[in-house]
Amino acid sequence: DGGITQSPKYLFRKEGQNVTLSCEQNLNHDAMYWYRQDPGQGLRLIYYSQIVNDFQKGDIAEGYSVSREKKESFPLTVTSAQKNPTAFYLCASSTATGIRSPLHFGNGTRLTVT
Amino acid sequence: DQQVKQNSPSLSVQEGRISILNCDYTNSMFDYFLWYKKYPAEGPTFLISISSIKDKNEDGRFTVFLNKSAKHLSLHIVPSQPGDSAVYFCAATNAGNNRKLIWGLGTSLAVNP
Repeated sequence: DGGITQSPKYLFRKEGQNVTLSCEQNLNHDAMYWYRQDPGQGLRLIYYSQIVNDFQKGDIAEGYSVSREKKESFPLTVTSAQKNPTAFYLCASSTATGIRSPLHFGNGTRLTVT
Repeated sequence: DQQVKQNSPSLSVQEGRISILNCDYTNSMFDYFLWYKKYPAEGPTFLISISSIKDKNEDGRFTVFLNKSAKHLSLHIVPSQPGDSAVYFCAATNAGNNRKLIWGLGTSLAVNP
């Protein structure tokens, strides 16, 4: 079955450590996205990539970094510079960034930093 | 400032009845609207969308209505089923923001048997 795989489902880290969240898709989608969801807030865009080796900052990119070396993979690194890293992180993909390309989401990674 | 507002955090309906989820927006440049459904511990899944050139789009039990003058859209689910119990997110986009989605905070729907 085609889809998006995020791993791990739960992740615990100590404050000050960088952590990388995995996102892999086998849908042959060009575009990939990282969102963050906090209680009482909507989904906020962290980074997105429309094509391999290219990515753009979203609305809350500070303290995060990404890479897009392969079409299938879009890992997100939460750095120690991110002030409030504890959140639910969602990865998504789409065929393009046009309006008729709904996002397909993974099942998320819940990151807890203490 | 919340450009997409879902003012009802939760909604409870009886199985078989109609569920109406509402969404208001402030940006008149939005020209495409989407509804996503999310179960606990899962990512959102696309449900239905509507372009601003239409005022209604229907897909099975799901119908989305758009009232551009009121900057309001609604999702109707008829008949509601217990499996529809989930959080529903409204999202909007336009060509001017590079087609980035602007999300509402979601409405939690509970369909009671």
